[in-house]
Amino acid sequence: GAGVSQSPSNKVTEKGKDVELRCDPISGHTALYWYRQSLGQGLEFLIYFQGNSAPDKSGLPSDRFSAERTGGSVSTLTIQRTQQEDSAVYLCASSLRRLNTGELFFGEGSRLTVL
Amino acid sequence: GESVGLHLPTLSVQEGDNSIINCAYSNSASDYFIWYKQESGKGPQFIIDIRSNMDKRQGQRVTVLLNKTVKHLSLQIAATQPGDSAVYFCAEDPGYSTLTFGKGTMLLVSP
Repeated sequence: GAGVSQSPSNKVTEKGKDVELRCDPISGHTALYWYRQSLGQGLEFLIYFQGNSAPDKSGLPSDRFSAERTGGSVSTLTIQRTQQEDSAVYLCASSLRRLNTGELFFGEGSRLTVL
Repeated sequence: GESVGLHLPTLSVQEGDNSIINCAYSNSASDYFIWYKQESGKGPQFIIDIRSNMDKRQGQRVTVLLNKTVKHLSLQIAATQPGDSAVYFCAEDPGYSTLTFGKGTMLLVSP
């Protein structure tokens, strides 16, 4: 499709399990972002990839969170040993180039529920 | 009028009214601002942006006003329609690698 694609759209897991969330950005977009949105809250920045540069991981809340972007396209966000406070919607966005010269295009998110 | 909902401030208006959604941003170094609309179950969608060398920008039925003196941003929606019901977020670019988002305002439009 033409937009940002995320999978799964919904994931229910048990506390302590690992989860992987996938993002397929818009073709040609060099910048890719992961955000977390808790119920009724704003968007919390997690990690940013720009081309082949080292990612900006400054928003990752703990070392249980990691992300990679293979071949400058698809990205996977991994949460190890999930906790109940990890329950949220995880949003991926991409943009044609660095911010301030373009807008972010968001996917519909992956809703994670940790029981 | 405005009321504080469970987590989000909420603005309730009648169809056809003009709506004004306000946002206070935090970083005086921010030079680029965006308004996003998020409908239930969807990702945020770009509405309009403004750079710090402007104080007003108009789109289709929407206007963004920027007051750098008091670090305030507002979104005006003319002739609000039921389809405008959503959560609206302002975002600022402080020159780091990403946007900083506000907590959002829920707009409820009654027919």
